[in-house]
Amino acid sequence: SAVISQKPSRDICQRGTSLTIQCQVDSQVTMMFWYRQQPGQSLTLIATANQGSEATYESGFVIDKFPISRPNLTFSTLTVSNMSPEDSSIYLCSAAGPQGNYGYTFGSGTRLTVV
Amino acid sequence: AQRVTQPEKLLSVFKGAPVELKCNYSYSGSPELFWYVQYSRQRLQLLLRHISRESIKGFTADLNKGETSFHLKKPFAQEEDSAMYYCALMTGGGNKLTFGTGTQLKVEL
Repeated sequence: SAVISQKPSRDICQRGTSLTIQCQVDSQVTMMFWYRQQPGQSLTLIATANQGSEATYESGFVIDKFPISRPNLTFSTLTVSNMSPEDSSIYLCSAAGPQGNYGYTFGSGTRLTVV
Repeated sequence: AQRVTQPEKLLSVFKGAPVELKCNYSYSGSPELFWYVQYSRQRLQLLLRHISRESIKGFTADLNKGETSFHLKKPFAQEEDSAMYYCALMTGGGNKLTFGTGTQLKVEL
């Protein structure tokens, strides 16, 4: 399965600023996803990063707040914009090959704290 | 809408005792189910998937469509099994994973 490098691993940011998280996969993958894990809660899908087109967002998540790029089949970024303390979470990148039913690989996560 | 329920936040067992981590799902289509595990200070990783009917690290899970369950079992718990376990359901034609809230397994000596 693919290996994902995600950075930064953690950051402390001031409210009102933005942070961009990068996700690099060591091989070409069909699908890439971004998840959020709020303290004490499970993983929630933010969006599917589509190569060459706009990301597909889940209910409750919008492009203005979480712009996503995916310029090729191995790289994606998630930006958390205009941050508030409620955005403090772990953000995870995930990837899968052509047949998602063999499971997904996850990055090590970015622990974001907004002060 | 799809949903995954893991009723236990924490499960504590003694070493050598049997383990069963419960998972129930709600989905109108044909389910694809997974168990993921996160050991301390490590990333989330796939443990097993129902379609492969495999046993990984002594763990097995059987899909019971009648009871809409996918419980994770191991006959004899080991200390190294202590971790966070997530049940996940794939929907959307292989595009989306819906996770349960997770169960923290603690194996005591």
